[in-house]
Amino acid sequence: QQQVKQSPQSLIVQKGGISIINCAYENTAFDYFPWYQQFPGKGPALLIAIRPDVSEKKEGRFTISFNKSAKQFSLHIMDSQPGDSATYFCAACVTPAQFYFGTGTSLTVIP
Amino acid sequence: GAVVSQHPSWVICKSGTSVKIECRSLDFQATTMFWYRQFPKQSLMLMATSNEGSKATYEQGVEKDKFLINHASLTLSTLTVTSAHPEDSSFYICSAREPRLAGGDNEQFFGPGTRLTVL
Repeated sequence: QQQVKQSPQSLIVQKGGISIINCAYENTAFDYFPWYQQFPGKGPALLIAIRPDVSEKKEGRFTISFNKSAKQFSLHIMDSQPGDSATYFCAACVTPAQFYFGTGTSLTVIP
Repeated sequence: GAVVSQHPSWVICKSGTSVKIECRSLDFQATTMFWYRQFPKQSLMLMATSNEGSKATYEQGVEKDKFLINHASLTLSTLTVTSAHPEDSSFYICSAREPRLAGGDNEQFFGPGTRLTVL
């Protein structure tokens, strides 16, 4: 059973546009929601993370929106750049237990 | 800070041999380390959780006798793939957690991964 559902599977965005990736979960005990960026042949790197007591968190061009009642959270990449082209994973966990990862979104930003 | 290294980054071996992959936390002490497996264009699959000085906890479906995990110190965990076969070819990634370093958040710091190819 997929604990965290992620969509879309792939995304193509023009340079300067907004990239939006969505995740949904069922376990209301989850209390930590990170997003990771992974380039081919590399390990995932933390982008930004949020806890359920906050509805939005922004760091630079990256924003997490969190909807606790809908059990959904999303990553917004503003002013998307070709260098943002990578695979993005959302995750969720019940601290301090294991992470459950989404299935990943392959983002391509075209110049 | 919070750097995790893996060695080797790429290994090719013959079927039937054993391969050891090292995961090190370079600038912090990791109370817990995780081992993941990732197939091309797929998500990370947790294989096992290891705590320093104790036996690893394996996820359902992961053969503990095939994937031996040792977490002998707070900075080193090893994964040994015993009697490797072509179906074991994959990208193996470790991560380490040190709650105090992460400011109390449940953050994991990932290594760069090890690509294993079994011929």
